[in-house]
Amino acid sequence: SQKIEQNSEALNIQEGKTATLTCNYTNYSPAYLQWYRQDPGRGPVFLLLIRENEKEKRKERLKVTFDTTLKQSLFHITASQPADSATYLCAPRSGGSYIPTFGRGTSLIVHP
Amino acid sequence: GAGVSQSPSNKVTEKGKDVELRCDPISGHTALYWYRQRLGQGLEFLIYFQGNSAPDKSGLPSDRFSAERTGESVSTLTIQRTQQEDSAVYLCASSLRTGGATGELFFGEGSRLTVL
Repeated sequence: SQKIEQNSEALNIQEGKTATLTCNYTNYSPAYLQWYRQDPGRGPVFLLLIRENEKEKRKERLKVTFDTTLKQSLFHITASQPADSATYLCAPRSGGSYIPTFGRGTSLIVHP
Repeated sequence: GAGVSQSPSNKVTEKGKDVELRCDPISGHTALYWYRQRLGQGLEFLIYFQGNSAPDKSGLPSDRFSAERTGESVSTLTIQRTQQEDSAVYLCASSLRTGGATGELFFGEGSRLTVL
C-alpha cells in the first residue's frame, strides 16, 4: 500500500539556522509533491509544489527538492525564524489522482 | 468570503446523537474535499466532490458518515449516532477543477467535534 513517512519527532533548531524536513514515500510514483504548513488549530496552507521533472524549487526562504530515485523530498527553510514554528505536511500526488494524500507532518520549533 | 468557511467551529455532542457539519467553498471551486484529523494525527481523506460527478466516497469510515453537496456550492457532512472515536477536527478544502497551476487545496479552519 502507499505510504508517506515524515519524522514524527519534533525538529528543534535555533533561530537563523536552516531547518530540513524529510518526506519519504513508498509504492507511489507521484507526478508532483506539495508541501503545506499547519498552525495549531488552523487548516493547512499550501506552500510549494514541485513536479517530478524538477529537482529543486525555491520560494523566498523555502527550498524543496524532489528525488524520484530515492523517493524522497526535502523541505528547507533558511534563516529560520520563530514564526516558522508549525507543522509541515507533505502530499505526494499521482498525476491521475485528484485526491491528495498527506503525511502526518513534522513539527518544527524554532527557538529565539 | 474569500476563503473556505466551515461551521460550527466547535461542536460538543453526546454519544448517539447526529451531527451536521457545513462547508462553504471558495466561489468557482468545483472540487470539494472532506478530511478528518484526529489529535496528533495526519489528515484522513473522507470524501471528494467534483462538480456534478458522482462523489468519491472511498474514505468514509462507516455507513454512519454521509455527505452531500448541492451543485458547486455548500457541502454538509453528517455523522449519525456519533461515537467517541468520531471526536476529531473535520477539515473541508476546495480547489479548482484542474487544481490550477499548483493543484493546491484551500482549507477551512475546521470543525472540532467532541463526542462525550
